Amino acid sequence: GQNIDQPTEMTATEGAIVQINCTYQTSGFNGLFWYQQHAGEAPTFLSYNVLDGLEEKGRFSSFLSRSKGYSYLLLKELQMKDSASYLCAVRKESEIYNQGGKLIFGQGTELSVKP
Amino acid sequence: KAGVTQTPRYLIKTRGQQVTLSCSPISGHRSVSWYQQTPGQGLQFLFEYFSETQRNKGNFPGRFSGRQFSNSRSEMNVSTLELGDSALYLCASSSFSGDGTDTQYFGPGTRLTVL
Repeated sequence: GQNIDQPTEMTATEGAIVQINCTYQTSGFNGLFWYQQHAGEAPTFLSYNVLDGLEEKGRFSSFLSRSKGYSYLLLKELQMKDSASYLCAVRKESEIYNQGGKLIFGQGTELSVKP
Repeated sequence: KAGVTQTPRYLIKTRGQQVTLSCSPISGHRSVSWYQQTPGQGLQFLFEYFSETQRNKGNFPGRFSGRQFSNSRSEMNVSTLELGDSALYLCASSSFSGDGTDTQYFGPGTRLTVL
């Protein structure tokens, strides 16, 4: 089966750095995604990792270790608008086709940024 | 480039009825996936379509079905609605790049309430 775990809630201070962890167990791993979702809105794409290592995009960075089934999302210079739910999603390769595949989502981490 | 569009945005139905939701992907995107989001279960994969063919299917009962048209637009149908079907239904589209980096971009969702 597949299992994705991430903390339910986190709180951080404006201007600080926060790391949101995600661990997963799945067969047919085909990439890991991070999405941000503000209340009442659709998830928006933040980052994608398929190889081990760190991917940096401005204030956001994401790390992946496939051997450990572990990823984290790092948010720097936190702003109030970063208060949102952060979703870790693993893509499980299609059992029939050699491309695409479904996303299996974690429950999301609700991040609150305080002044 | 316009994003993913979903219609209708809000829908209220009663138990036993059926409903059809529509999704238009980003121009040039040929893959469409559907997800159900509820507070208790989070985001759960329903199905994925490419070139009018269902490539992946999640663990939902047969009351949930979908299809994709030649212009890549997709519809999903839920028959014999149950109270538990109340959820946000999200559509996501991706380009079929073939290099494993397909990122799914989400539409705003259809909020379905079953009374």
